[in-house]
Amino acid sequence: GQQVMQIPQYQHVQEGEDFTTYCNSSTTLSNIQWYKQRPGGHPVFLIQLVKSGEVKKQKRLTFQFGEAKKNSSLHITATQTTDVGTYFCAYMTTDSWGKLQFGAGTQVVVTP
Amino acid sequence: DAGITQSPRYKITETGRQVTLMCHQTWSHSYMFWYRQDLGHGLRLIYYSAAADITDKGEVPDGYVVSRSKTENFPLTLESATRSQTSVYFCASRGQGSYNEQFFGPGTRLTVL
Repeated sequence: GQQVMQIPQYQHVQEGEDFTTYCNSSTTLSNIQWYKQRPGGHPVFLIQLVKSGEVKKQKRLTFQFGEAKKNSSLHITATQTTDVGTYFCAYMTTDSWGKLQFGAGTQVVVTP
Repeated sequence: DAGITQSPRYKITETGRQVTLMCHQTWSHSYMFWYRQDLGHGLRLIYYSAAADITDKGEVPDGYVVSRSKTENFPLTLESATRSQTSVYFCASRGQGSYNEQFFGPGTRLTVL
C-alpha cells in the first residue's frame, strides 16, 4: 500500500533557529495529518490538510500540503525547548475504515 | 472527563504467557485502533474496529487477538507472548464525521522476558 517517508529522521536544532521536516509519498494522498509525541508521551493530533497547496498556521508552526498532494512539510520558526519531540505525518485511508498510515517520524532535539 | 485510558501502564511478563491490555474510552467513539510503537518503525496498526463486534486486522496482527463487545472497550490480547512483542502499545479512538482526528491513550509499555 501507500507509504509516507519522513525526512530527516533526526533533527538537532539550536533554540531560536528554524527548521523544516518533510513528508513524502510516491502516490497522491487524499489528506495528511500531523501528530506530535513528546518524549515518554502519546501522539497528539496537530492538524489535517486536505486541499492541494493548502497552508495552515498554528502560532510558530506552518503546515503545507503540496500542489500535487504527494508531499507535506512542517516548518517551525524560532524553535523553543517545548518543541522537543517526534513529529509524525500520517495519511488516512479512503476506505470506510479510515485507518491512519504513519510515517516513521522526525525526532527533534532542541539545544538551549 | 477521562477520555481514553489504558491499563496497565507498565507490564512485565514472560515468554509464552497470555497478556491482555485494556483500552477504555468515554466518548462513545465508533472507531478504535491498536498500534505498537518500536524504534525505527513509527506506529504500526495491529487491529482496528468500526463498532461493537466489528473488527479487522491491521498491518501486524500476528500473535494478537481483539474483541469489542461494548463500544467503550477494546481489549488487546497477546495469546502467547514472545520477546518480539516487547513494545509500547497505544490505543486510539476516532468519532464519525468529517474531521478525522485520532485520540490516543497514554500507552502501555510491555516487556516480554
